[in-house]
Amino acid sequence: GESVGLHLPTLSVQEGDNSIINCAYSNSASDYFIWYKQESGKGPQFIIDIRSNMDKRQGQRVTVLLNKTVKHLSLQIAATQPGDSAVYFCAEEGGYNKLIFGAGTRLAVHP
Amino acid sequence: DGGITQSPKYLFRKEGQNVTLSCEQNLNHDAMYWYRQDPGQGLRLIYYSQIVNDFQKGDIAEGYSVSREKKESFPLTVTSAQKNPTAFYLCASSIDRRRNTEAFFGQGTRLTVV
Repeated sequence: GESVGLHLPTLSVQEGDNSIINCAYSNSASDYFIWYKQESGKGPQFIIDIRSNMDKRQGQRVTVLLNKTVKHLSLQIAATQPGDSAVYFCAEEGGYNKLIFGAGTRLAVHP
Repeated sequence: DGGITQSPKYLFRKEGQNVTLSCEQNLNHDAMYWYRQDPGQGLRLIYYSQIVNDFQKGDIAEGYSVSREKKESFPLTVTSAQKNPTAFYLCASSIDRRRNTEAFFGQGTRLTVV
């Protein structure tokens, strides 16, 4: 069946370090993936997306990597800041405009 | 400013009551969604609508109902048949029915059964 999961439930990093958040997906037919950031008590915010015809996409301080061979997605955050502390979700399109979310990874940034 | 507005932010329900959560968007988006989020978990799809007067069940539709009479509005009713309604409810919309388009989320409604 379709599922999206995350390897690490909690990630602690030092301010200024790079962060890498990983995600595995099981539906090899998925062709669109999104990373969302959710701060406590708020709705998820779009960070970056990637289509399956790409293996890398860069935004401001963020990079998403897609490895279709092993069905793996990662989000890299450069120079992590305290404001990056949140829960990060990957989501895949599991059908017609239907996003399937993983359980999320909490990123904790320490000074 | 364009966006998605959910109300109320906090809602308390007594056992056996139906309650309706509001979701309004002024983004001119065709597609709208309701998700449920439990503590420490991801988002699970309750219902979605790709166009006015049409909606589909998601993965956990039992105990919930929706309507889509207007493009900008997609209210969710949590009925007394939902045995464990305490959760954080999130509404989202996306531009149209094409695939590969991001969803924008509201700020959520936290529902608590008292």
